[in-house]
Amino acid sequence: QQQVKQSPQSLIVQKGGISIINCAYENTAFDYFPWYQQFPGKGPALLIAIRPDVSEKKEGRFTISFNKSAKQFSLHIMDSQPGDSATYFCAAKGFQGGSEKLVFGKGTKLTVNP
Amino acid sequence: DVKVTQSSRYLVKRTGEKVFLECVQDMDHENMFWYRQDPGLGLRLIYFSYDVKMKEKGDIPEGYSVSREKKERFSLILESASTNQTSMYLCASSPDRRENSPLHFGNGTRLTVT
Repeated sequence: QQQVKQSPQSLIVQKGGISIINCAYENTAFDYFPWYQQFPGKGPALLIAIRPDVSEKKEGRFTISFNKSAKQFSLHIMDSQPGDSATYFCAAKGFQGGSEKLVFGKGTKLTVNP
Repeated sequence: DVKVTQSSRYLVKRTGEKVFLECVQDMDHENMFWYRQDPGLGLRLIYFSYDVKMKEKGDIPEGYSVSREKKERFSLILESASTNQTSMYLCASSPDRRENSPLHFGNGTRLTVT
C-alpha cells in the first residue's frame, strides 16, 4: 500500500519555467509534510516543510501548497534553474500503528534544461 | 554543520557473505536510521534507533539487522547477502523526536551483491 503517492516520476522543464510536483496521502494522522532534495551522488537534504494548519509556505523560489480537504500537497519551483535539477521526494509524518512514521513518496526526477 | 559519514561509497560482495555497513554522525543526534533507495521505489526504511542499544524494525527489515553500541554509530548488517539486496543504502540521523526534526543523510553506500 503506497501511503504517499507522488507524481510525475520525471519532469523536464525549460530554464525560467515553473516546475510542479504533486503528492497525495490517505492517512489523516499525518501532520507534517517535508520535501527533500537529492543531487546525484549525494544524500537527500531537507528543502522545505509545511504543517496542515497553513495552506501555503514559501521559501525563495520554492513554495508548498497544501490542500487538507483533498489530502494533497505540491511543490512549486518558480523560475526553475539548471541547478535545481535533482530528485525531489515528498514525505508525510505522523502516528501510524502506534508509532510515529515518516513515509516518503517515490520521488520525481527534475531536469531543467538551459 | 551536521556530518553523517558512511564508511564505504561502493561495496561489492558475494552472495552469502556477511556484510557490515557503517555509519557515524558527529552531532550527538539521538535518532539514527537506515534506508534503502531503489529506482522507482523511493526511500524505504529498514531499521531505526532512538537510543543507544535500542532498535526498531522499519518497513523492510527482513534479511537485515542493526547494531547501535555507541550513540554516534549505527551499523547495518546483512547476515547473508543476496542479489536482491543490491541497492543504495542511506544512513540518516535526526536530533530528537520532535515533529519537525529534520533527517540528515549520508551520501550513501552503493552495494552490489554478485
